[in-house]
Amino acid sequence: GAVVSQHPSRVICKSGTSVKIECRSLDFQATTMFWYRQFPKKSLMLMATSNEGSKATYEQGVEKDKFLINHASLTLSTLTVTSAHPEDSSFYICSASVTGGGFVNTEAFFGQGTRLTVV
Amino acid sequence: SQKIEQNSEALNIQEGKTATLTCNYTNYSPAYLQWYRQDPGRGPVFLLLIRENEKEKRKERLKVTFDTTLKQSLFHITASQPADSATYLCALNTGGFKTIFGAGTRLFVKA
Repeated sequence: GAVVSQHPSRVICKSGTSVKIECRSLDFQATTMFWYRQFPKKSLMLMATSNEGSKATYEQGVEKDKFLINHASLTLSTLTVTSAHPEDSSFYICSASVTGGGFVNTEAFFGQGTRLTVV
Repeated sequence: SQKIEQNSEALNIQEGKTATLTCNYTNYSPAYLQWYRQDPGRGPVFLLLIRENEKEKRKERLKVTFDTTLKQSLFHITASQPADSATYLCALNTGGFKTIFGAGTRLFVKA
């Protein structure tokens, strides 16, 4: 299957600093990637849809100035948590769907996730 | 409002038995439904997709049913193994590539 690589897997940062999380599609091009946030024993909550070459589409209640998304190429999307606070501590996961190449374009491939802890 | 509901309580079964997980949804008319497996601290992994015009889908020891009248999907793992222990997520597509997930059901298979 297609591979999505997410980095870093874990990060600890101080309150007030910014953290960047990268999501790469390794063997396919992804015009659209998705960023999710997951709290313990809860479902994945879609934060935003990242579109290559254009602005991200944010879900209701997600602050776009707080969670900056950049999708500068067909294989890379980044999520930057700005001025992080302890309540931003969570598990962040990206995904991408594959179009063409024999894949069912509705199947999503997920990164490994990033555990963010803000202290 | 739109909802996806999965059993919040963990499911404990004995090795070799069939595990059955339930996914119910309201206020959706999805064209298809997906099941994913998620291990602790990892991203979900796609397992199966079933379309609205399909009643049943199988893949090795996995079977999924989809009842659009009841708005329910059942996910079965036959001859379960301890390695099947994980959280299983139900997901619906709400248009384009956008996917909404249930909270998942944790499965424990005891040897």
